[in-house]
Amino acid sequence: DVKVTQSSRYLVKRTGEKVFLECVQDMDHENMFWYRQDPGLGLRLIYFSYDVKMKEKGDIPEGYSVSREKKERFSLILESASTNQTSMYLCASSLPTTGEQYFGPGTRLTVT
Amino acid sequence: GENVEQHPSTLSVQEGDSAVIKCTYSDSASNYFPWYKQELGKRPQLIIDIRSNVGEKKDQRIAVTLNKTAKHFSLHITETQPEDSAVYFCAASRAGGSYIPTFGRGTSLIVHP
Repeated sequence: DVKVTQSSRYLVKRTGEKVFLECVQDMDHENMFWYRQDPGLGLRLIYFSYDVKMKEKGDIPEGYSVSREKKERFSLILESASTNQTSMYLCASSLPTTGEQYFGPGTRLTVT
Repeated sequence: GENVEQHPSTLSVQEGDSAVIKCTYSDSASNYFPWYKQELGKRPQLIIDIRSNVGEKKDQRIAVTLNKTAKHFSLHITETQPEDSAVYFCAASRAGGSYIPTFGRGTSLIVHP
């Protein structure tokens, strides 16, 4: 049974703070993803990684960076949080050969 | 890049009715089409998927159909139950692209008892 966990369920940060969101998966998946979910906009891809230290921009990478130092761990970094980054952030992992995505429980981030 | 359109954005049905959600995609190279269900406060989970070598797939009360020529695919839920109430997302991706998905915007399905 695949488990994808995220470091926090809820997070409140102030504008300008540096924010770290962490995701860990235990199934040795090569692919890992970060999405943000906003009402009416679905799941929008921020960044993905297909291997350790490898990363690719998704559809909305501005204001975000990522780090993947170990295969099981994928971090999303907000260098200077802004109020328009208030959202639900979902991490996912998958095998590059099958396509099914396994999601984490999400982090509800509020930036005030 | 790929573009996925999903309709309707909300769907309200009576228990026992059927529900149909439709998606269109733009990239003819896409060959994997999953559907995810997200219940309130929970993570999205795969409920059914279809690959481009088949036209239809069923799993109990849910089915997915694919029309490659028209580039659209649909989710069909029969005999809806209140526990089917959720947000449903379609997605499109391709094997050559490591299955990086493009998601539709989601459909909120409400099943009234």
